[in-house]
This record gives sequence, C-alpha cells and structure tokens, in this order.
Amino acid sequence: DVKVTQSSRYLVKRTGEKVFLECVQDMDHENMFWYRQDPGLGLRLIYFSYDVKMKEKGDIPEGYSVSREKKERFSLILESASTNQTSMYLCASSAYVINEQFFGPGTRLTVL
Amino acid sequence: AQTVTQSQPEMSVQEAETVTLSCTYDTSESDYYLFWYKQPPSRQMILVIRQEAYKQQNATENRFSVNFQKAAKSFSLKISDSQLGDAAMYFCAYTRGGSNYKLTFGKGTLLTVNP
Repeated sequence: DVKVTQSSRYLVKRTGEKVFLECVQDMDHENMFWYRQDPGLGLRLIYFSYDVKMKEKGDIPEGYSVSREKKERFSLILESASTNQTSMYLCASSAYVINEQFFGPGTRLTVL
Repeated sequence: AQTVTQSQPEMSVQEAETVTLSCTYDTSESDYYLFWYKQPPSRQMILVIRQEAYKQQNATENRFSVNFQKAAKSFSLKISDSQLGDAAMYFCAYTRGGSNYKLTFGKGTLLTVNP
C-alpha cells in the first residue's frame, strides 16, 4: 500500500525558531513536493524535488528551504518561523511515469 | 501561467442525489492531465479521478464521472447517488504533460451531504 508519512500532525513553534518538517515515502518515487494549504487559497506549491539533491522553487518559496539527501525523504525548513507561516503543510510524492501525486496526512503548524 | 478556477466555494447535496462541481482551467498546452482530489475532514487527500487531455472519452470511477469539455477548458465532476462519506473538500488540479509534474490546484469546493 502506498504510503507518505509526515513527522508530526500538529506542531507549535515560537517566532524566530528554526522548524523542520519531515516527509518520508516508501514508493521509490522520484518526485516529492511541499505545499501549504490555507482556507480560501487552496494548495500552493512551496518547493519540489525531482531527484536526490535536486530541488526547484515552487510558487511561494520565500522563507522556506528544503533538503533531499535520500530519495525517500524530503524536508521542509523554516529558517526563522514567522506568524504568517502558520498553516497546514502537505507533502506529496509521484513517480516519473505517472502524474498522480500521493499525499501525506499533513502537518498543522502554528507559529506563536 | 496555468490557472485553475473553482467557482463554487461551497455546495450541498441531499443523500442519494446527484451533484456537479465545476472547474475551469487556462492553458496553452495540448498535452496535459486533469485531476479531482478529495480531502475528507482531518484526513488524507486522495485522488478521485483523472483525465488525460488526449482522451475524448470522459473518465468514470464508480459513482464519480467527469464532463471534460476541452474547447471550453471545463472539467466538472459529477457525483451520483451521493453518500455521507462523500462530504469533503474537493480540489480540481492541472498538470502539464512531459517532464514537469507540478500540479496547479484550484481553491477547492467544500461539499456537504445532508442526510
């Protein structure tokens, strides 16, 4: 069974903290994605990676960075968390030969 | 840039009835894919149905079907015999064919199913 897992379902951090969100997939997928989901705005792509150590900016990369040292793991980093980064963060993965993305359960991040 | 528009922020349907969710998109590409994703409350997003642009036949998955109007750039989702478990946020999404696998999502339609 296809599985994408995220390290936390809920996270509360303080302004200025460095935050790591982890995503792991067990499907040997080449592509991995980070989105944020906000009410009324849908899903917006932050970063994606099409191979180990490769990354591309999405639509809203400001304030975020990513790391992909292993094929199965894709990390989203908030270097200095701010209150406007309070959101739901979704990770997804897909294979080269298909376009369907498989999603993780999401991490609801609150920055105080 | 590609855009996806869902004009209905919220919809409701009576159990066992049929409902149609609207989606329009804008692209100059000829090779692309369209998707409907479902996100139940506090649960994982899952794929409902997909449509390849080169296919003229509308995709169908059990009670879910699409009306793909390529010239009009319209991709609506029809849910027949609605069930309580269909209550969710539904997202329409687009991706260009080829090596670029980024998805562009609409803002979503929240579907309520009334018993």
